[in-house]
Amino acid sequence: DQQVKQNSPSLSVQEGRISILNCDYTNSMFDYFLWYKKYPAEGPTFLISISSIKDKNEDGRFTVFLNKSAKHLSLHIVPSQPGDSAVYFCAAWGGNKLVFGAGTILRVKS
Amino acid sequence: NAGVMQNPRHLVRRRGQEARLRCSPMKGHSHVYWYRQLPEEGLKFMVYLQKENIIDESGMPKERFSAEFPKEGPSILRIQQVVRGDSAAYFCASSPRRGRLSNQPQHFGDGTRLSIL
Repeated sequence: DQQVKQNSPSLSVQEGRISILNCDYTNSMFDYFLWYKKYPAEGPTFLISISSIKDKNEDGRFTVFLNKSAKHLSLHIVPSQPGDSAVYFCAAWGGNKLVFGAGTILRVKS
Repeated sequence: NAGVMQNPRHLVRRRGQEARLRCSPMKGHSHVYWYRQLPEEGLKFMVYLQKENIIDESGMPKERFSAEFPKEGPSILRIQQVVRGDSAAYFCASSPRRGRLSNQPQHFGDGTRLSIL
């Protein structure tokens, strides 16, 4: 049962443009969400999070939007940079653990 | 380096052998989580431990897998009688408090890549 879904396996964006990564969830009990970034051969690195009492959280070039009624969240990166090329995981706190999506590979072309 | 330390980074075992993966949490963190990532998939929760206690092992396979976090020393994930399907990247994460109650992000190590011949 995939409770957190990232339906786009990959995304390619031109440097300087906006990257939008999407995530859907099915469990209405989830109320805290996180985005992690992962480079090959490294562990995931925390990027940004959002509580369900908010619909937007911003940190520099990264903004996360949450639509509770649609059970959907998105990560916006603007402007995108080549160093942003990585795998991005959406995750939700589910009980004692993080529940992860399968990830989206972001490629930022210079 | 004050981050989560995992060793070894790479481990090769033959079928039937035992694999031991170690994780030292960040300084001041007493909560440890183990996740497994199979190729082309996201990270899947295995077990959550505090010092000397297993809090949640709902993601652990029922056989061959065990985990501990002793009072002294690193957390250990042990896989007995390994099979080809155990080949994966195993990640450890730590947090200073029970993550969900504080909404703390988990901090991850760089993982151990286990290959079974």
